[in-house]
Amino acid sequence: QTVVTQEPSFSVSPGGTVTLTCGLSSGSVSTNYYPSWYQQTPGQAPRTLIYSTNIRSSGVPDRFAGSILGNKAALTITGAQADDESDYYCVLYVGSGISVFGGGTKLTVL
Amino acid sequence: QITLKESGPTLVKPTQTLTLTCIVSGFSLSSSGVGVGWIRQPPGKALEWLALIYWDDDKRYSPSLKSRLTITKDTSKNQVVLTMTNMDPVDTATYYCAHRPFGNFFFDYWGQGTLVTVSS
Repeated sequence: QTVVTQEPSFSVSPGGTVTLTCGLSSGSVSTNYYPSWYQQTPGQAPRTLIYSTNIRSSGVPDRFAGSILGNKAALTITGAQADDESDYYCVLYVGSGISVFGGGTKLTVL
Repeated sequence: QITLKESGPTLVKPTQTLTLTCIVSGFSLSSSGVGVGWIRQPPGKALEWLALIYWDDDKRYSPSLKSRLTITKDTSKNQVVLTMTNMDPVDTATYYCAHRPFGNFFFDYWGQGTLVTVSS
């Protein structure tokens, strides 16, 4: 069974830059996994940030950027703001119409 | 404007079958390439991909839950239904439905979610 890994938590200073990663328990993430990223604040439905590795969803500011870094997908937030404090989830398409969520990263801005 | 809204029981007993409905608007369930999926999130835990149904009635399930899940759609009623059998307290979660756009592998629109508690 495919396991998607993310850092459980991360912190960044206001105005700083942070890179969250999304990997596989076995193997490397490539664009063929069509990584997508979602932001979720408590009590709210997820918000789509990035899809197909690096395409920003409508209305997402350009300080959110997706990429492949080494063997992982990555979400980089530049100029972090207080309201970026959220949970971030990546999703990988593993084939046969099935996708798998990562365990999520809790981002603290302080 | 695409919207999705989940509905169903807020409380089910262990061993019962859960039936959730997702009413969609702003798109047709028969539009080529479109999909609607179900995702859940136990309180304080991560999101989990459950199932997906395509415009052509093709269906996909999480391998770990496949034996308990059934996803169907009724295009005339603009609704997608998820059933989950043999409910257990660990299935307590907020259940979301979401729209998957044509030719893509992500969800762009989400419902607000519905909390289902499994308890006797």
